Amino acid sequence: SAVISQKPSRDICQRGTSLTIQCQVDSQVTMMFWYRQQPGQSLTLIATANQGSEATYESGFVIDKFPISRPNLTFSTLTVSNMSPEDSSIYLCSVRTGSGYEQYFGPGTRLTVT
Amino acid sequence: ELKVEQNPLFLSMQEGKNYTIYCNYSTTSDRLYWYRQDPGKSLESLFVLLSNGAVKQEGRLMASLDTKARLSTLHITAAVHDLSATYFCAVVTYTGTASKLTFGTGTRLQVTL
Repeated sequence: SAVISQKPSRDICQRGTSLTIQCQVDSQVTMMFWYRQQPGQSLTLIATANQGSEATYESGFVIDKFPISRPNLTFSTLTVSNMSPEDSSIYLCSVRTGSGYEQYFGPGTRLTVT
Repeated sequence: ELKVEQNPLFLSMQEGKNYTIYCNYSTTSDRLYWYRQDPGKSLESLFVLLSNGAVKQEGRLMASLDTKARLSTLHITAAVHDLSATYFCAVVTYTGTASKLTFGTGTRLQVTL
């Protein structure tokens, strides 16, 4: 299994500002992902964080709004830029381990934009 | 576009009863996941189903996968209050060598005493 931590766990931000969320895993993992879960909704994949190269974004998500870094096999960041109230969500980091099957989720970052 | 639909969306059931949650998906996939989410918490992995006909059981929960019908079921036997949570299925799809999970709509289960 993999133990995932995220910072911050929650934040309240003002419109127009940016927030960077950190994801740290206790072991090297093959794949890292960022998801968004809006209140009362399911999870939507934002992007796959690729180690040493640009992230792969899903339809509807762009790099300028959600820049992602993954400098190594245990760490990634997601920035939510120029925030609006519509960005209020839970952001979850997720990893897939070397076996390729199990996929684990971090505790999430609860973001409120006022 | 892949669609993953669960039904029911909300289920209220009495303790001791049996029920089944259904997960239908619209494209070919050979792997399906079930997760549990408690209010205000992250996702807990329940099952990974890796092939057609796969069946896995843990306690009062049993999951199965029929890839030909594009259907997975999560069966609850003799429900207890502790099973109250939201349950998500998620389907794997592939783009080249990359793979990703697409989540279902979720089923909120409430087990009443």
